[in-house]
Order: sequence, then structure tokens, then C-alpha cells
Amino acid sequence: GIQVEQSPPDLILQEGANSTLRCNFSDSVNNLQWFHQNPWGQLINLFYIPSGTKQNGRLSATTVATERYSLLYISSSQTTDSGVYFCAVLNAGGTSYGKLTFGQGTILTVHP
Amino acid sequence: NAGVTQTPKFRVLKTGQSMTLLCAQDMNHEYMYWYRQDPGMGLRLIHYSVGEGTTAKGEVPDGYNVSRLKKQNFLLGLESAAPSQTSVYFCASSRGLAVYEQYFGPGTRLTVT
Repeated sequence: GIQVEQSPPDLILQEGANSTLRCNFSDSVNNLQWFHQNPWGQLINLFYIPSGTKQNGRLSATTVATERYSLLYISSSQTTDSGVYFCAVLNAGGTSYGKLTFGQGTILTVHP
Repeated sequence: NAGVTQTPKFRVLKTGQSMTLLCAQDMNHEYMYWYRQDPGMGLRLIHYSVGEGTTAKGEVPDGYNVSRLKKQNFLLGLESAAPSQTSVYFCASSRGLAVYEQYFGPGTRLTVT
């Protein structure tokens, strides 16, 4: 099946710093989503971005489907950005039946 | 518009007990999914449904059953709980199968002792 690798596994920042999270995937995708899992365990949809670039406030994401990677940018980080960031993809071919394959996540800690 | 809701939020079961987790969505989505998340891991698909009255197995279906009697509800059942089923369970829904965004519920934390 498709492989999804996220980097870095852990990231510690001071409030106000910028960061870039990366997601590499091993095959063509129909669907790519970025999620933020907050400290209470809730999964928040950040972006649906199988290709191209999107921005939402301090967050933006870019997916280069032909090169099989996606980047999540967080600018001017805040303590509320802490949590785990997941990239999830849906393989374009085969019998993926809507199954999102998740990466292992990046644990982000933002200190005041 | 509540999106995707799950009940209960927390549950503790003894080995061998049974329970049903309820997922409800108010977005008129055709597709619904049950995932589980284990410590330090992403989510894995248990079962899914492509419409009312249909269900199918996902990646890790053993020990679970599901039903979709109404379009807005998707039930996940554990007939005889085992400690290996201790996990956080997430329900999701989407308008379509492949190229549509999946929306997740808040999760149910289940502990089996």
C-alpha cells in the first residue's frame, strides 16, 4: 500500500517562530488532507489539498503531486498551535475504497 | 449544524462485555467511516459504508461489526471486547468516495480491562 512519511517527528518552537512540516508519499493520490490533533484529542481539518496551494490565516499548504510531497507552513506560531499534525492521503489507484492512509504525525510544541 | 457527533465520549469495559458506539452526521453525506487510533500512530480504517444499508470491511475489521440503517447514523459494535481493542475510535463522513474531504467526529476513548 501507499506509504506516508512525515518530518520532522518532533518540533519545539518559541511563540512567534515559523515552521515547515513535510509529508512525502509513495504513490499518486486523489486526496490529501492535513489535520491538527489538539491536546484534547480532537481532529481538526486544516486543508484538503490534493494539489496546489491554499492559505488560511497563519497557515498555508502546498502539494506538488508530481513530486509526491506536501508542505504545511505555520507562521507566527502560538501556544494554541501545539499538538500533533497529521498528513493523510488517499491512493489514486487500486482498491483504496476511501481509506485515508495517515502518516505518523509531527508533534509540535510551542512555548510562550 | 453539528457536523459529525459521537456517543459516548468515554467508556470502560471489562473483557467479554459488549457495546455499541454511535456516530451521527447532519451533512447528508453518503459515505461514513470508522477508524481507530492507537498510541503514537495515525488512524486505521475499521469499516466503512458507501450508503444507507451498506457496509464493508476496512483495514482492521476483526472483532467489530457495523450497521447503517439510516443515512445519518453509523454504528460500531464490539460483541466481546478484548484489551487489544483499547483505543480511541473516530467516525468520519464524506460526500463522495475518492476526491472528497473527510470530516471527523470528536472521538470515543475506550478502555477494555
